[in-house]
Amino acid sequence: KQEVTQIPAALSVPEGENLVLNCSFTDSAIYNLQWFRQDPGKGLTSLLLIQSSQREQTSGRLNASLDKSSGRSTLYIAASQPGDSATYLCAGNSGGGADGLTFGKGTHLIIQP
Amino acid sequence: DVKVTQSSRYLVKRTGEKVFLECVQDMDHENMFWYRQDPGLGLRLIYFSYDVKMKEKGDIPEGYSVSREKKERFSLILESASTNQTSMYLCASSLRSSFATQYFGPGTRLTVL
Repeated sequence: KQEVTQIPAALSVPEGENLVLNCSFTDSAIYNLQWFRQDPGKGLTSLLLIQSSQREQTSGRLNASLDKSSGRSTLYIAASQPGDSATYLCAGNSGGGADGLTFGKGTHLIIQP
Repeated sequence: DVKVTQSSRYLVKRTGEKVFLECVQDMDHENMFWYRQDPGLGLRLIYFSYDVKMKEKGDIPEGYSVSREKKERFSLILESASTNQTSMYLCASSLRSSFATQYFGPGTRLTVL
């Protein structure tokens, strides 16, 4: 059974810094890994999806990487802004086209102005 | 833009009541999912469906049932609500592909008294 872990659980950095959020998973037979953002009391917003055959995906200031052999993914945020403050969740799909995602517990990120 | 809507943002029910949570998506997605989110436990999959009238148990189906009579609508049913079902409930949908992004609704915060 897939297990997903995110470290650190919380992170606070000054505005403008580049930062890395970490995600590890136990089952390397993963179809894709997805990164989400969640604002307090709200639903999830999809940020990036990396397919198992890909190494990384980029969207604006965000870059996500996937290393299946080591069971790790990272989300890199460049030039952080206060608006980036949120909880970031990673989730893996190990079951194919119809299965649900297995989520990590998230990293709560605060960007200090 | 994909839109996933949930019938209520906040709901308060009494122990023993039958509760219906409704989810509708407008992108003709085959897959639909119900998750619950609890502090310290993260998001966990309750049920999912990959076609009309089809359903599969997720990780924590006990105490819940689902209904999918139309492709765009997926209902979560609490037959007899209990206090330990107080939670945030999130619905999601996706295409039927191992590489499909899951799109989430805004969530329903259910309190069972």
